[in-house]
Amino acid sequence: AQKITQTQPGMFVQEKEAVTLDCTYDTSDPSYGLFWYKQPSSGEMIFLIYQGSYDQQNATEGRYSLNFQKARKSANLVISASQLGDSAMYFCAMREGRDDKIIFGKGTRLHILP
Amino acid sequence: EAGVTQSPTHLIKTRGQQATLRCSPISGHTSVYWYQQALGLGLQFLLWYDEGEERNRGNFPPRFSGRQFPNYSSELNVNALELEDSALYLCASSLDGYSNQPQHFGDGTRLSIL
Repeated sequence: AQKITQTQPGMFVQEKEAVTLDCTYDTSDPSYGLFWYKQPSSGEMIFLIYQGSYDQQNATEGRYSLNFQKARKSANLVISASQLGDSAMYFCAMREGRDDKIIFGKGTRLHILP
Repeated sequence: EAGVTQSPTHLIKTRGQQATLRCSPISGHTSVYWYQQALGLGLQFLLWYDEGEERNRGNFPPRFSGRQFPNYSSELNVNALELEDSALYLCASSLDGYSNQPQHFGDGTRLSIL
């Protein structure tokens, strides 16, 4: 079974609109962390935002926020006021308990249209 | 603060050869991770090094190996190269490997096998 599921392989959004990228996860460990990374066409991976399983509030970083719904095991990334530079591949990832590796979803390719 | 640096940017090899990829973590980071991003397969965890020791490895054959040096930089070695080893190899570092510190990625080494 997939640990991280990103159901949107591709999305097209008009510039300045808000974007929600879906991510659901599967774990039985009560302690885990959720990450979102952005990968532009140049290939580098850029850390965007982190949410811990015990965090009481949804994480926010500038235009990025994480809509964390623990009971639904959902950690959607919301990008407000999208910009052309937001066009990239976005990966949702999870780290369970004291495990070392991060498990990545297959990614969502976001295209921002002018 | 310098980010994670990887070298070379591109590497072209032929089948059966050996490749060495290098990574320097962010200053102060002790954990280094290696990932393979093959076309269409997403990010696959390869290896994790912390304090000079290999802590975990992903589901890759033994011809993928590496090491971490006393200054926490790391090498990934791939022996007996095969065509399917063509991929982007990403290195990431984090403050340590035991908490939910985000992993910060380098720009990657694109390995092409002819």
